[in-house]
Amino acid sequence: GAVVSQHPSWVICKSGTSVKIECRSLDFQATTMFWYRQFPKQSLMLMATSNEGSKATYEQGVEKDKFLINHASLTLSTLTVTSAHPEDSSFYICSAGGTSGGYEQYFGPGTRLTVT
Amino acid sequence: GNSVTQMEGPVTLSEEAFLTINCTYTATGYPSLFWYVQYPGEGLQLLLKATKADDKGSNKGFEATYRKETTSFHLEKGSVQVSDSAVYFCALSDRRGNNRLAFGKGNQVVVIP
Repeated sequence: GAVVSQHPSWVICKSGTSVKIECRSLDFQATTMFWYRQFPKQSLMLMATSNEGSKATYEQGVEKDKFLINHASLTLSTLTVTSAHPEDSSFYICSAGGTSGGYEQYFGPGTRLTVT
Repeated sequence: GNSVTQMEGPVTLSEEAFLTINCTYTATGYPSLFWYVQYPGEGLQLLLKATKADDKGSNKGFEATYRKETTSFHLEKGSVQVSDSAVYFCALSDRRGNNRLAFGKGNQVVVIP
C-alpha cells in the first residue's frame, strides 16, 4: 500500500516552454501532497504544500507564478513549470501524507527535468 | 523551529561491516522520527519510523531507537551488503497540521565488496 507515482519520469524541454508533472496516490487518498526539488548530492528542498481543493502554500523564495500547483482531486496533484529556463533543471519529487496516523510521507520516484 | 542534523560526509565501508549514521534533532513538541533511503535516480523510500520515546524502528536489518533524552535517532545495521549503498535521510514530523517533514542533509553510504 501507500504507492505514489509520478509522470513523466524524465523530460527534456526547450527554454521558454512549460512542463507539467503529475503526482498520483495510487491506493490511498491524499488530502495533502508535497513538492520537493533536489539538487545533485543535496537534500530535498520543500517547494510547496498542495491541499486538495484549495490553493497551495509555497515556501519562502519559491515563485508561485512560475511553479503552478493544482490539487484537483484526492489522488492527483500537478506541478507546472512555466517558461522553463536551464536553471530550473532539477530532480522534482512529490510526496503524499500517510493515512496511518504515523505522520510519515510516501514519495514518488521523482521526475528529472532538463531544460535546454 | 524544527531541524535535523546528520553527521557530515559520506560513509564508506566494507561488506559485512557495522554501520552507524548519527542523527540528532531539535523540535517543538513531540515529533515522529523517520529514516528514508534513496537509491540512485529514485525517490525516497520510508525505511523505518518511531513515534514515541524509546520506540525502536526496524526494517531490513536496520534499526533506530527514539532517544528523547539525547534527542537522537541513530541508524544502525550490524552487517551491511553492497545493495545497502544509497543515501540515507533522517527526518522528523512535528505532527502538526499536514505531516510536514524536516530533513537532514543525508549521508551517502558506499559499501565495498
